Amino acid sequence: SAVISQKPSRDICQRGTSLTIQCQVDSQVTMMFWYRQQPGQSLTLIATANQGSEATYESGFVIDKFPISRPNLTFSTLTVSNLSPEDSSIYLCSIRTYEQYFGPGTRLTVT
Amino acid sequence: SQQGEEDPQALSIQEGENATMNCSYKTSINNLQWYRQNSGRGLVHLILIRSNEREKHSGRLRVTLDTSKKSSSLLITASRAADTASYFCATVNNQGGKLIFGQGTELSVKP
Repeated sequence: SAVISQKPSRDICQRGTSLTIQCQVDSQVTMMFWYRQQPGQSLTLIATANQGSEATYESGFVIDKFPISRPNLTFSTLTVSNLSPEDSSIYLCSIRTYEQYFGPGTRLTVT
Repeated sequence: SQQGEEDPQALSIQEGENATMNCSYKTSINNLQWYRQNSGRGLVHLILIRSNEREKHSGRLRVTLDTSKKSSSLLITASRAADTASYFCATVNNQGGKLIFGQGTELSVKP
């Protein structure tokens, strides 16, 4: 399976600022996904980010709040903009080859 | 949106006992995958079962799939304290190919 790394692993941010999360994969993958896990909850898909096309957002998630870049087949970023305490969550990137694998997550706390 | 429900939401057993977790889903699927998450950390992929399979084994794990009932179960035999974690099922449907998670079962194995 591919190795997925995320940066930062955790951060504490002030309300109104933004955080950009990086996801790096050690092999080329077409399908990459971003998920959010709110405290004590399951994972919710934010968007699908395939290289060469615009990200596809799930209901309840918009590009202005969660802009995504996918410049190549091994890298993606997710920005969480205009932060509020409700954005405090773990954000995980994920790839699919046949099975689907997840990065270690970025724990965001908004104060 | 969540695909379905997991049952039970929480399960507490003694070391050496078997643990069974159930997952129900709503739509036709291509495959179903089980994950483990320790204490808010990254997800570990446990097993994938395709829609045309009924049972799959991996070490102490046994997964069954009943597509007529839209349900799956994960059995962990001879549990260990290290099995303490949250367990999630997730499905990939036949259309968009998105991996959608259930609510999860929190398993506690007491030594």
